[in-house]
Amino acid sequence: QQPVQSPQAVILREGEDAVINCSSSKALYSVHWYRQKHGEAPVFLMILLKGGEQKGHDKISASFNEKKQQSSLYLTASQLSYSGTYFCGTEYSSYGNKLVFGAGTILRVKS
Amino acid sequence: DAGVIQSPRHEVTEMGQEVTLRCKPISGHNSLFWYRQTMMRGLELLIYFNNNVPIDDSGMPEDRFSAKMPNASFSTLKIQPSEPRDSAVYFCASSLEATNGNTIYFGEGSWLTVV
Repeated sequence: QQPVQSPQAVILREGEDAVINCSSSKALYSVHWYRQKHGEAPVFLMILLKGGEQKGHDKISASFNEKKQQSSLYLTASQLSYSGTYFCGTEYSSYGNKLVFGAGTILRVKS
Repeated sequence: DAGVIQSPRHEVTEMGQEVTLRCKPISGHNSLFWYRQTMMRGLELLIYFNNNVPIDDSGMPEDRFSAKMPNASFSTLKIQPSEPRDSAVYFCASSLEATNGNTIYFGEGSWLTVV
């Protein structure tokens, strides 16, 4: 089952913040976040495992709410380089390595 | 370190022709994935292998598609015969299996156009 991402698209000015959500109707084992720029491959950002943890590096962080079966990606003080399509990928068990991606959220940061 | 290597990067072919896409995973990785990306359907998992064995091919669209992994360092995705609706970017990805989640690394993709 494909996770549901929201919003579908968002436009920001440099320095503004954004939140991208990823939710599942099925119990999650892990959530993976990737960013893809136009014409390029998806690039790994971070993994969150069940347990309600939060991770982050630089001004991009994410949380995982196991109870709600939801993850959120937080982008603070956005930069032009943050533009791209953000995908969440979900795993439903610790065995099998099967990662199913959401439809993606297009983020555009304007100067 | 070399990442996931795919070839060809771009392929334009005529409807009905056979297309073979190739992938070399990251050395030491034992899981390999084939994804297809289109505007309409996003990133779809077609098939994945673990230790060269196909584990889940439920995403393979139809019998025209087949994938093989004869050894740990090589995989192919074949479409025969190809159709215009197969036009997409095909990504190969690999990961080192871990019980606590895994990072999947994508290749640059093979851009397929079937006319």
